[in-house]
Amino acid sequence: QQPVQSPQAVILREGEDAVINCSSSKALYSVHWYRQKHGEAPVFLMILLKGGEQKGHEKISASFNEKKQQSSLYLTASQLSYSGTYFCGTERGGGADGLTFGKGTHLIIQP
Amino acid sequence: DAGVTQSPTHLIKTRGQQVTLRCSPISGHKSVSWYQQVLGQGPQFIFQYYEKEERGRGNFPDRFSARQFPNYSSELNVNALLLGDSALYLCASSWTGIYGYTFGSGTRLTVV
Repeated sequence: QQPVQSPQAVILREGEDAVINCSSSKALYSVHWYRQKHGEAPVFLMILLKGGEQKGHEKISASFNEKKQQSSLYLTASQLSYSGTYFCGTERGGGADGLTFGKGTHLIIQP
Repeated sequence: DAGVTQSPTHLIKTRGQQVTLRCSPISGHKSVSWYQQVLGQGPQFIFQYYEKEERGRGNFPDRFSARQFPNYSSELNVNALLLGDSALYLCASSWTGIYGYTFGSGTRLTVV
């Protein structure tokens, strides 16, 4: 089942903060976060695993509430380069079923 | 280091034709996955291969098939193309999923 992302779109001024949420109705093994710019491939940002392990880029932070099956991506002191569409992708276990992606959150950073 | 490479980058086919898309993973990555991305939507999982064996399959018809070769490269085949198959097809590779997936730039398939 597709995870639900919120908000659908965000417009920020450079330097402002944003939070993007991802919610699933099913128990998850992991949550992935990717950023995709127009016409480009999705780029890996972060993975959060059941049990608390996280791996990702140093400047990106995220959380995973296993009880609620919710994840949040925190973008602080946003830069123009942060613009793009952010997708969360969820895995229910084992990795053999691939990632189920949300519909994405469009982020626009203005100078 | 070379990233995930996909070919061709763009393709135009006629309804009913067959198409083969190719993917070369990052060196050392043994897992390859295929995704379909329709404009304005998130990628949708088609297949995952690991060590040349199919490990997972998404909700796609049997017209879609794939395989992985001994060098870990992969091909996605789509038969009897429909207009609705028009999309960006993404290949992703990983050493193991817990380190995330690296996506290629995709093949833009247009069916007319």
